[in-house]
Amino acid sequence: QKEVEQNSGPLSVPEGAIASLNCTYSDRVSQSFFWYRQYSGKSPELIMSIYSNGDKEDGRFTAQLNKASQYVSLLIRDSQPSDSATYLCAVKVQGAQKLVFGQGTRLTINP
Amino acid sequence: DTGVSQNPRHKITKRGQNVTFRCDPISEHNRLYWYRQTLGQGPEFLTYFQNEAQLEKSRLLSDRFSAERPKGSFSTLEIQRTEQGDSAMYLCASTSRDGAGREQYFGPGTRLTVT
Repeated sequence: QKEVEQNSGPLSVPEGAIASLNCTYSDRVSQSFFWYRQYSGKSPELIMSIYSNGDKEDGRFTAQLNKASQYVSLLIRDSQPSDSATYLCAVKVQGAQKLVFGQGTRLTINP
Repeated sequence: DTGVSQNPRHKITKRGQNVTFRCDPISEHNRLYWYRQTLGQGPEFLTYFQNEAQLEKSRLLSDRFSAERPKGSFSTLEIQRTEQGDSAMYLCASTSRDGAGREQYFGPGTRLTVT
């Protein structure tokens, strides 16, 4: 079992709709969770971090964390074509410094 | 802050040659990380520095790979006797000493092609 799992997609969403991206992780002592956006040929850009159970909202983005289910998600409201990218879920385990990444979900917003 | 910078942005080398990449972290960030990313995969951790001390190394970092951060500021990653399997994007990230130092910010990366 991979440490961090994401559906590789592609996920296709119409413009203006809500895009929902999901991520599961295997290590129960994981403590910090991040979503990065990566455009083709570019490096990952941090868009959200979440550390405690529940929802965290930042503009059109909402991160949701459920530690009991070992599940973290990212919702993008009012999706725009510029949101088309690969979204990487990353997890930091307690006591370690490295981030463990999923393989990413490729999201396409259709005008 | 001007962000994490990396040089060169692209490197094409022949198999067997040595290459060196440089990373300049965000000013006063004391923690620096190297990752490698291949096509269709997420970044994979290579190594981590706190100030000048290299505190963690991945098993991915074979004896052909070496990283340094001599003065606790910029870092270099050297690959000796490159192989075609080394072709990847090499990413550097940094984070601050404040709080738990959790959020890592990436540089633009160095894309290595070994022919």
